[in-house]
Amino acid sequence: GENVEQHPSTLSVQEGDSAVIKCTYSDSASNYFPWYKQELGKRPQLIIDIRSNVGEKKDQRIAVTLNKTAKHFSLHITETQPEDSAVYFCARRDSGAGSYQLTFGKGTKLSVIP
Amino acid sequence: DTAVSQTPKYLVTQMGNDKSIKCEQNLGHDTMYWYKQDSKKFLKIMFSYNNKELIINETVPNRFSPKSPDKAHLNLHINSLELGDSAVYFCASSQDVMTFEKLFFGSGTQLSVL
Repeated sequence: GENVEQHPSTLSVQEGDSAVIKCTYSDSASNYFPWYKQELGKRPQLIIDIRSNVGEKKDQRIAVTLNKTAKHFSLHITETQPEDSAVYFCARRDSGAGSYQLTFGKGTKLSVIP
Repeated sequence: DTAVSQTPKYLVTQMGNDKSIKCEQNLGHDTMYWYKQDSKKFLKIMFSYNNKELIINETVPNRFSPKSPDKAHLNLHINSLELGDSAVYFCASSQDVMTFEKLFFGSGTQLSVL
C-alpha cells in the first residue's frame, strides 16, 4: 500500500501536558485508521481506531481525529502520564478489492517526563 | 491464555544457518500475518495467509518461506540467514480479511544473526 507519513518521530512532554501525533496519507481509498502503542520490549497493541465515516472518536484520555479532505488523522493524548511513554504507530487500510493489509507509519517515540 | 503465541522469543544464530519461527493463535481467526520490525522500529508486512491461503507476499527474499498447516498456525522458515535479517519478527492475526479490523500481535521473536 502507499506510505503513511507520521510526525514527529520523537516527542517529549511534561507529565500532565497533552501530546499530539499526526499522520498524513495520499490514497483517498483509505477507510480505516488505527493507532497502535508499543511499550519497550513489548508487542504493538491497538489503542484506538477510526473509520472514514467518522470525524472524531474519544476513549478517556485518548482521541483520534480524521480530516478526510486534507487526508490526515491525529492522535491526541491529554493529561499524559509516565506510563504513556511508548512508541505509537498510525496505520491505514485501503477499501479497494484485494487490499488486505495495514500500512504503518514509522512510529513516534513519546517520552513523558515526570 | 495467550491469544497469539510465537516461539522462540530469542534466536541467536550464525550467518548461513537455517531457522524457523513458529506461531499459533487460539482466537479462531481466519487471517494471520508476519511482520518484520527493524532497528528503527519500522513495522513492515512480509506475508499474510487467509484460511491457509497466501494472500499477501511483499517483496521478501525467497529465502523466507511461510507455511500454514492450518488456519491457527503460520510458521516462518528462513534459509541461509544473513546479517540483514537481524530484526524482531512479529506474528499477528485478525478475524478475517473482509472485516479486517484489530490486529492481535504475538510477543515477537528477536532474531540476531552473527
